Amino acid sequence: ETGVTQSPTHLIKTRGQQVTLRCSSQSGHNTVSWYQQALGQGPQFIFQYYREEENGRGNFPPRFSGLQFPNYSSELNVNALELDDSALYLCASKEGYNSPLHFGNGTRLTVT
Amino acid sequence: QKEVEQDPGPLSVPEGAIVSLNCTYSNSAFQYFMWYRQYSRKGPELLMYTYSSGNKEDGRFTAQVDKSSKYISLFIRDSQPSDSATYLCAMSASGAGSYQLTFGKGTKLSVIP
Repeated sequence: ETGVTQSPTHLIKTRGQQVTLRCSSQSGHNTVSWYQQALGQGPQFIFQYYREEENGRGNFPPRFSGLQFPNYSSELNVNALELDDSALYLCASKEGYNSPLHFGNGTRLTVT
Repeated sequence: QKEVEQDPGPLSVPEGAIVSLNCTYSNSAFQYFMWYRQYSRKGPELLMYTYSSGNKEDGRFTAQVDKSSKYISLFIRDSQPSDSATYLCAMSASGAGSYQLTFGKGTKLSVIP
């Protein structure tokens, strides 16, 4: 077990709707990252938070946004859902500078 | 050309075989190299984590990094049916700030009893 838990495990939304995905990291893991994994692809970096501030972002539009809270939980929000947003969304956290990322089991989002 | 190239397979081997998985990359700034294992309907699980060039061994797993060739490998000895999964290579550049990982597409491995 990595200590990273995500909810919900599955979600179905309609195009144009908004969605919030949640993640809970281990105590002491100040860095949290979110990744999108399309079917048959490797995970793609969305953004990263360190001590509640966004400090890195991949090639994703502004309708993807996030929050990190002092209790080591975080959220990924996606507005105006598109069909191509259907994917597995992975949350990952790390403790220190040279520590590797540890992933949760993800939320599978289906947009119809 | 993608930053990280990984043969998606699928790769099928008999139980007990030695498995070799590989990735090539183009970004010479990459300093940290990882291998993750992903079972169906699960998140990636960290297997090996190395910094810069060299070899690292952990049980049946050996990771090799050749920065001069921009080539990394994962070897699995005495492969077991429980090793059947998708293997993802991942890498990141050094320095403070963003720790963005760039992943390969993953290689799907089946170990046949």
